[in-house]
Amino acid sequence: ELKVEQNPLFLSMQEGKNYTIYCNYSTTSDRLYWYRQDPGKSLESLFVLLSNGAVKQEGRLMASLDTKARLSTLHITAAVHDLSATYFCAVDAGGNTPLVFGKGTRLSVIA
Amino acid sequence: DSGVTQTPKHLITATGQRVTLRCSPRSGDLSVYWYQQSLDQGLQFLIHYYNGEERAKGNILERFSAQQFPDLHSELNLSSLELGDSALYFCASSVDPNYGYTFGSGTRLTVV
Repeated sequence: ELKVEQNPLFLSMQEGKNYTIYCNYSTTSDRLYWYRQDPGKSLESLFVLLSNGAVKQEGRLMASLDTKARLSTLHITAAVHDLSATYFCAVDAGGNTPLVFGKGTRLSVIA
Repeated sequence: DSGVTQTPKHLITATGQRVTLRCSPRSGDLSVYWYQQSLDQGLQFLIHYYNGEERAKGNILERFSAQQFPDLHSELNLSSLELGDSALYFCASSVDPNYGYTFGSGTRLTVV
């Protein structure tokens, strides 16, 4: 059974600082996704990572995938308040297996 | 607007009742997935339909059922509702996992 673990689960960061969220998963997969969720809202797709070594960047967020280590990272650069949200990673093991989500990282950016 | 439409947005109902949640996928997407999000369980997969056929089932309770119609919209039926069924229910659609999954805005179900 595919398990996805994120850490940390809670993160309070100061504006302007950098930090990394980690996502580990338990079985082979070449597809990993990052989503953002604001309280009570839908899941907004941030990144789709499809192969080993994939790196994608959008604004202050950069995501990478290491399929050999079964690890993805979401790096936040020079955090701003607008980045406060919950971030989820999700892994697709292929076939008819469903997308499995981590528990999410609740990020709070404070002045 | 993600292109995935869920109705209703909010639903308040009493224990023991039955409700139907509706999802219209993005145009062209044949797959529909249902997820339940609660504070204690996180995002849990319920069921996946592809072009009208059930493809995968998660930890979906026997009181819950779903179907996908020829026009590709899907309905999730929840019956004999309990307080613990209160949650956000999301549907997502996909044309190909390599392009990702798009989520609807969700239905917030409150059972009182």
